[in-house]
Amino acid sequence: ETGVTQSPTHLIKTRGQQVTLRCSSQSGHNTVSWYQQALGQGPQFIFQYYREEENGRGNFPPRFSGLQFPNYSSELNVNALELDDSALYLCASSPRREQYEQYFGPGTRLTVT
Amino acid sequence: ILNVEQSPQSLHVQEGDSTNFTCSFPSSNFYALHWYRWETAKSPEALFVMTLNGDEKKKGRISATLNTKEGYSYLYIKGSQPEDSATYLCALRDNYGQNFVFGPGTRLSVLP
Repeated sequence: ETGVTQSPTHLIKTRGQQVTLRCSSQSGHNTVSWYQQALGQGPQFIFQYYREEENGRGNFPPRFSGLQFPNYSSELNVNALELDDSALYLCASSPRREQYEQYFGPGTRLTVT
Repeated sequence: ILNVEQSPQSLHVQEGDSTNFTCSFPSSNFYALHWYRWETAKSPEALFVMTLNGDEKKKGRISATLNTKEGYSYLYIKGSQPEDSATYLCALRDNYGQNFVFGPGTRLSVLP
């Protein structure tokens, strides 16, 4: 068991709405990364947070934003949802910024209609 | 920009068969290559991390090799079992440590 949890498990939203996804890191991990996995593709890196600050970002628009809290849990926020945002969203925590190893949560399945 | 490909896309084998699949990449400009196993409805599970050309890693019936000069890594499963059924993901970690670039995965089904 990895110890990384995500909520909710599933979510249905309509186009134009906003959504917040949550991730609790494994104990002792100060780095969290978020990934989007669309059907038939590998996970795509969205961004990474290290000690409450963004530490790297993939090719995602600004309407994808995040937060990391003092307890190292994290949120992914997506504004102005589009149909293409329908995907599985994974978070992964690491014991340090170098991300030598990361531990994944089970993901949140987001459906945008 | 790192680009990772995996083949085959999917694979069906009989219980007891040995199998292998490939992760390929055009550049050796990365810090590490990771293999993950992802069972349906579970979290991706780390299998191996490899950094050096010629690295070989083994865990039980599963092993992996890395050839950075020719741009590929192989994952081998000896004597496949139904519980090996999963999607196997390969990912490259860039030199800054911030970004994992994943391949699309190989979906393995082991038939009893």
